[in-house]
Amino acid sequence: GAVVSQHPSRVICKSGTSVKIECRSLDFQATTMFWYRQFPKQSLMLMATSNEGSKATYEQGVEKDKFLINHASLTLSTLTVTSAHPEDSSFYICSANRGSGTDTQYFGPGTRLTVL
Amino acid sequence: QKEVEQNSGPLSVPEGAIASLNCTYSDRGSQSFFWYRQYSGKSPELIMSIYSNGDKEDGRFTAQLNKASQYVSLLIRDSQPSDSATYLCAVTAEGGNQGGKLIFGQGTELSVKP
Repeated sequence: GAVVSQHPSRVICKSGTSVKIECRSLDFQATTMFWYRQFPKQSLMLMATSNEGSKATYEQGVEKDKFLINHASLTLSTLTVTSAHPEDSSFYICSANRGSGTDTQYFGPGTRLTVL
Repeated sequence: QKEVEQNSGPLSVPEGAIASLNCTYSDRGSQSFFWYRQYSGKSPELIMSIYSNGDKEDGRFTAQLNKASQYVSLLIRDSQPSDSATYLCAVTAEGGNQGGKLIFGQGTELSVKP
């Protein structure tokens, strides 16, 4: 299989606080992980591409100092939303790629962030 | 700008009918094509992947790829109400080292009526 987990599944926080979301590949080593954001009734928006042991590559318009990504191992990547504001409320989803010549991305279950 | 286009729908079909979902893409260099299903409030789930021209069948699902026309489709036979979801077409972003990045269409909402 190709199981990807995310934690937490849902988080509510106050404006100005930071929130960390974990993404784990449970049964494979993920050479690359991706972080997406999805607003209601909209498609997935890629935020950044994360490779183990190197800095993440952010998409145009995504603030790298606000959305901190760490990919410390082949099975774990974290996204920290710093100084969260209500406009950061969204559905954050990670995906992982096995590598080895395959482009298939397997998605985690997502984290719903609500900033009050 | 590389794009993936889908009809947003909603596409409504009766139970038991064939649902046909279409997708066009702009990047001729794309090599890998995927269909994901996303239920409301959930994350995308991989349905099919296709890499070469022609048809690929998996149970009730058939993916069709025509690279010359830059067109990929998904057919769902014997549609069931449980197939009601948004279907996302995704295409690899080629041109340089993109690290397996996918470009997603906006999704087609499918509704299967009992």
